[in-house]
Amino acid sequence: DQQVKQNSPSLSVQEGRISILNCDYTNSMFDYFLWYKKYPAEGPTFLISISSIKDKNEDGRFTVFLNKSAKHLSLHIVPSQPGDSAVYFCAAIGSGNTGKLIFGQGTTLQVKP
Amino acid sequence: GAVVSQHPSWVICKSGTSVKIECRSLDFQATTMFWYRQFPKQSLMLMATSNEGSKATYEQGVEKDKFLINHASLTLSTLTVTSAHPEDSSFYICSARNLRQKITNTEAFFGQGTRLTVV
Repeated sequence: DQQVKQNSPSLSVQEGRISILNCDYTNSMFDYFLWYKKYPAEGPTFLISISSIKDKNEDGRFTVFLNKSAKHLSLHIVPSQPGDSAVYFCAAIGSGNTGKLIFGQGTTLQVKP
Repeated sequence: GAVVSQHPSWVICKSGTSVKIECRSLDFQATTMFWYRQFPKQSLMLMATSNEGSKATYEQGVEKDKFLINHASLTLSTLTVTSAHPEDSSFYICSARNLRQKITNTEAFFGQGTRLTVV
């Protein structure tokens, strides 16, 4: 049962353009959503998060949008840079103080110079 | 952000032997550590949650006798893959959090990961 889904395994964009990574979830009880960036053979690094009570959070070039009614969130990167090329994971935290993260399958972003 | 150190970063072992992976929180007390496994081009799958001083909680389908987890202190958790087989070859990642602190930022801190190859 995949509670967090990233249906696009890969995305390719031109440098300077916007990258939009999408994520869908099924559990309406999730409290927080997070985006992580991961390079091969390395652990994930945190990018940005959003609380379930908000619909937008912005941090520099990264903006996360949350649509609770659609159970959908997206990460916007603008402008995209070649160094952004990596695998991006969407993750969710459930209610309760367990700290357990549930990850999507990941989307590989390639930003072409 | 906080630093989590995972060791070794890669290991090759023979089938039937055991391998221990260490996860250390270097600058904070990790009340809870999570162990994940990632297959190629797949998601990070949570294997188990360990709380300092207590038994680990394993996710469904994860053999607790095969993947031994010890969280004896607030800065160290270990994962031992016992009697390793080639199908255990994977990328293992630990994550550490201090759940006694109020969650103002929900990021979890991850180790660098360990690439295990069983031959």
